[in-house]
Order: sequence, then structure tokens, then C-alpha cells
Amino acid sequence: EDQVTQSPEALRLQEGESSSLNCSYTVSGLRGLFWYRQDPGKGPEFLFTLYSAGEEKEKERLKATLTKKESFLHITAPKPEDSATYLCAVQGNTGGFKTIFGAGTRLFVKA
Amino acid sequence: DGGITQSPKYLFRKEGQNVTLSCEQNLNHDAMYWYRQDPGQGLRLIYYSQIVNDFQKGDIAEGYSVSREKKESFPLTVTSAQKNPTAFYLCASSTQGASTEAFFGQGTRLTVV
Repeated sequence: EDQVTQSPEALRLQEGESSSLNCSYTVSGLRGLFWYRQDPGKGPEFLFTLYSAGEEKEKERLKATLTKKESFLHITAPKPEDSATYLCAVQGNTGGFKTIFGAGTRLFVKA
Repeated sequence: DGGITQSPKYLFRKEGQNVTLSCEQNLNHDAMYWYRQDPGQGLRLIYYSQIVNDFQKGDIAEGYSVSREKKESFPLTVTSAQKNPTAFYLCASSTQGASTEAFFGQGTRLTVV
């Protein structure tokens, strides 16, 4: 069964303090791994798609990496506006177009 | 601007009532989805539709129904059979095919009173 586990559940950082969020996954034939950002009371906003181990993508202070078992979202010198919940999701070869989401990591960045 | 519009933003339902959540998209996407989000849990798939007049049950379809009469619209009805309907409901759409990211609406928060 496809599964996604994100850690930590919550992360508190000082502004400028770099860190990483983890997404461990089990999937039968990875088609894609997705990262989303979700602000309170809003819908998720797409950040990245990664397709194969070794792939990396960057956007401003965020960098996503992928191995065969996990993905990391690295946040470099975060700012308070980076505070949000970050969701990881995977799509495998079974289950048609179903995407499995993790519970998310809530990030708090203090000025 | 292209996007997905969900309405209403907040909805209150009395026990025993059916309610319908609206989802409209102008992105020309073939696939549309409904998810439920509860605190501390990942998004769970309720129903999805890959083309007009066709839809499939997701992982938690019991107590819900959908229709897909138009490409742009995918309304969700929460029936009285849904035991615990209080949740945040998210509609999404994507281009046809696997490995494509989804675009989400802003959500509807449903509360049973």
C-alpha cells in the first residue's frame, strides 16, 4: 500500500535558521512526488514535482531533493512569510491517478 | 484569471440535511477531485473524475455523491448518511494523465450544527 510519512509534525525556526523537512514514502513504482505549501484556511499551492532519484528543484529559498525512499525540502535562511504547512504527496503506478498525501509539516518562522 | 472557485467558503448544516458544495474551474482541465482534510491528517480522496459524465470513488466515498455534467463543474453533495461530515473540503483539478500537479480551490469548511 502506498504511504507517505512527513516529519517533523511541527518545526519552529528563527528567521535565517536553515533546516530541512522530511518526506518518507513507500510506493509501487513512483510516477511523481509533489510538494505543496498550504496557508491556514486556504487550499494547497503547488511547489515542485520530482520524478526520479537524484533530481533536485529550487524556488527562491526552497530546494527539494529526492532519493528512492525519501524527499527533503530544504529551507535556506527562512523568513516569517515562509511560515505555512508543507505537504508531500506521491503518485504511484497502481491506483490510477490517485495521489497519496502526507499529514504535513507545520513550519513556524519567528522574526 | 484561471483558477478553481469553491463556494461557499463556510457552510453550516443541520443533522439529517444534505448539502452541496460547488466547485468550478476555468483551467480547461479534464480531471477533477474532491478531498477531505481533517486536523493532523493528510488529504483523503473522496471522488475523482477524469472526463465528463464519468467519476470514480476514492478512499472515503461513503456518504458523499458527485456529478460531472460539465467539464468546468464538479459539485459534491454531503448526504445525511455521512456520519462525521464536519471537515475542510478541497476541490482540485489537473490535466489528464499521471505525474501532473493538482491545482486547488480555497476550500469549504463544513460544520454540522
